[in-house]
Amino acid sequence: KQEVTQIPAALSVPEGENLVLNCSFTDSAIYNLQWFRQDPGKGLTSLLLIQSSQREQTSGRLNASLDKSSGRSTLYIAASQPGDSATYLCAVNQAGTALIFGKGTTLSVSS
Amino acid sequence: SQTIHQWPATLVQPVGSPLSLECTVEGTSNPNLYWYRQAAGRGLQLLFYSVGIGQISSEVPQNLSASRPQDRQFILSSKKLLLSDSGFYLCAWSGGLAGGNEQFFGPGTRLTVL
Repeated sequence: KQEVTQIPAALSVPEGENLVLNCSFTDSAIYNLQWFRQDPGKGLTSLLLIQSSQREQTSGRLNASLDKSSGRSTLYIAASQPGDSATYLCAVNQAGTALIFGKGTTLSVSS
Repeated sequence: SQTIHQWPATLVQPVGSPLSLECTVEGTSNPNLYWYRQAAGRGLQLLFYSVGIGQISSEVPQNLSASRPQDRQFILSSKKLLLSDSGFYLCAWSGGLAGGNEQFFGPGTRLTVL
């Protein structure tokens, strides 16, 4: 059974720092991996999608990498801002339909 | 562009009452549709998914049911709510036919069962 783990569960950094969020999964047979952002009480916003054949994707200050063989992905956020404060969720798509989510990393960026 | 709507945004219901949550998608055809629940301390869990009208797959046994009466409409229902049904319900869509496409989520419905 696929399990997705995100470390750390919470992270506090000062504004301007570069940071890395980690995601690991137990079964490397995945279609893709998605990173989401969730603000309190809100739905999920898709940040980046990495197909299983890809190694990384970039969008603005965000860079996500995927090492399928080791079951790991990282989300790199450059020059963090207070507006980046949110919960970040990692999810893998294994069967072509449902996403299996980690429990998220709650990020707090102080000004 | 595609948009996804959910209503109501919040709902407070007594135990034993019925439930109907609605999700609609605009700007796409033949989407795959999904219902997820986010409960405190448990993360997001898939409840149902649908690849077409009238086609519903359930991931976990539960007190809930889903229906897809139209191509871009997905409904989550219950005949009698339980306390354990409380949570944040999220609808999502992805491109149909080819599996493994990016999923996009709606704004969610916060359900409290008292």
